[in-house]
Amino acid sequence: AQSVTQPDIHITVSEGASLELRCNYSYGATPYLFWYVQSPGQGLQLLLKYFSGDTLVQGIKGFEAEFKRSQSSFNLRKPSVHWSDAAEYFCAVGINTGTASKLTFGTGTRLQVTL
Amino acid sequence: ETGVTQSPTHLIKTRGQQVTLRCSSQSGHNTVSWYQQALGQGPQFIFQYYREEENGRGNFPPRFSGLQFPNYSSELNVNALELDDSALYLCASSSTSVGGYTFGSGTRLTVV
Repeated sequence: AQSVTQPDIHITVSEGASLELRCNYSYGATPYLFWYVQSPGQGLQLLLKYFSGDTLVQGIKGFEAEFKRSQSSFNLRKPSVHWSDAAEYFCAVGINTGTASKLTFGTGTRLQVTL
Repeated sequence: ETGVTQSPTHLIKTRGQQVTLRCSSQSGHNTVSWYQQALGQGPQFIFQYYREEENGRGNFPPRFSGLQFPNYSSELNVNALELDDSALYLCASSSTSVGGYTFGSGTRLTVV
């Protein structure tokens, strides 16, 4: 069965500093990988996704992520964090089984941005 | 293009009661999935509906059931509510591909 680990429960960075959120996955085949962001009381917004091809993926809001098969990782990065980036971030692995599909999420990393 | 709409936004129920949550899928999407997100946790897959039939289910008991209608909207029903059912329930619609999920803002269910 697939699983996702986000080792950092809570991260604090200063505005303007760089950011890296870690994600490790377990899945037997080539995974579909996602990063979502969730603001308090809100649903999930897709930041970026990886299906195949270039292992460096660009997303919205200046985020990027790099797929490293050898490390089973899909870390999220941003060169300069803005105060509005404070939120909960979820990494997920997706699988398709015939007509069914589902996402398995990590437990999330809460990002706090100090001014 | 309309997004995914969920109703109600908040709900308080008593243990043992039944609840129905509703979801209107995004235009052009024929698949609806439901997720439960407990406080401080990531979302957990409940089940998925495609063409009005359940075609995938997570590790949830039978008292969690659903429906999908011809217009692809969906309901999540939970019977015999337990305190642990308190959570944010998220609906996501897609056009069968796992890459095309659009999530709604969720329904916050509190069981007292």
